Amino acid sequence: KQEVTQIPAALSVPEGENLVLNCSFTDSAIYNLQWFRQDPGKGLTSLLLIQSSQREQTSGRLNASLDKSSGRSTLYIAASQPGDSATYLCAVGTSGSRLTFGEGTQLTVNP
Amino acid sequence: DAGITQSPRYKITETGRQVTLMCHQTWSHSYMFWYRQDLGHGLRLIYYSAAADITDKGEVPDGYVVSRSKTENFPLTLESATRSQTSVYFCASSRYRDGGTDTQYFGPGTRLTVL
Repeated sequence: KQEVTQIPAALSVPEGENLVLNCSFTDSAIYNLQWFRQDPGKGLTSLLLIQSSQREQTSGRLNASLDKSSGRSTLYIAASQPGDSATYLCAVGTSGSRLTFGEGTQLTVNP
Repeated sequence: DAGITQSPRYKITETGRQVTLMCHQTWSHSYMFWYRQDLGHGLRLIYYSAAADITDKGEVPDGYVVSRSKTENFPLTLESATRSQTSVYFCASSRYRDGGTDTQYFGPGTRLTVL
């Protein structure tokens, strides 16, 4: 059974800092890995999707990497802003279009 | 407006009652999903559907029933609600992608309280 772990569970940083969120998974037989953002009381918003054949994806200040062999992904956020404060969720795509989620990292960026 | 919507957004019910949560998407996505989100468990898949009239169980299907007679709708029914089903329920949809999953788009969620 696929298990997804995100470390740290919570992170508080000053504005402008570059930061890294970590995600690990137990079964390397994945189709892809997705990073989502969730604001309090809201649904999830897709940030980046990395196919299993890819090593990284970038969107603006966000960069996600994938190392299937070690079962790890990182989400790098450059020059963090207070508006980046949210919970970030990692999800691994397996067969049948199913996703297995981690519990998320709650990020607070302080002005 | 195009997108994925859920109704109701908030629901309070009593133990033993039947409750139906609605999900509607306007993209004609093949796949639709129901998740529940609980503290300490994260998001867990309840049921999913690959197309109209095709549904399958996820990780926590007990106590839930789904149907999908039309591509755009995917209702979730709690046949006899229990307190353990108090949760936030999210519906999601995605396109078919050969060989794996595509980006999933989530609705705003339904907060269900069972008294």
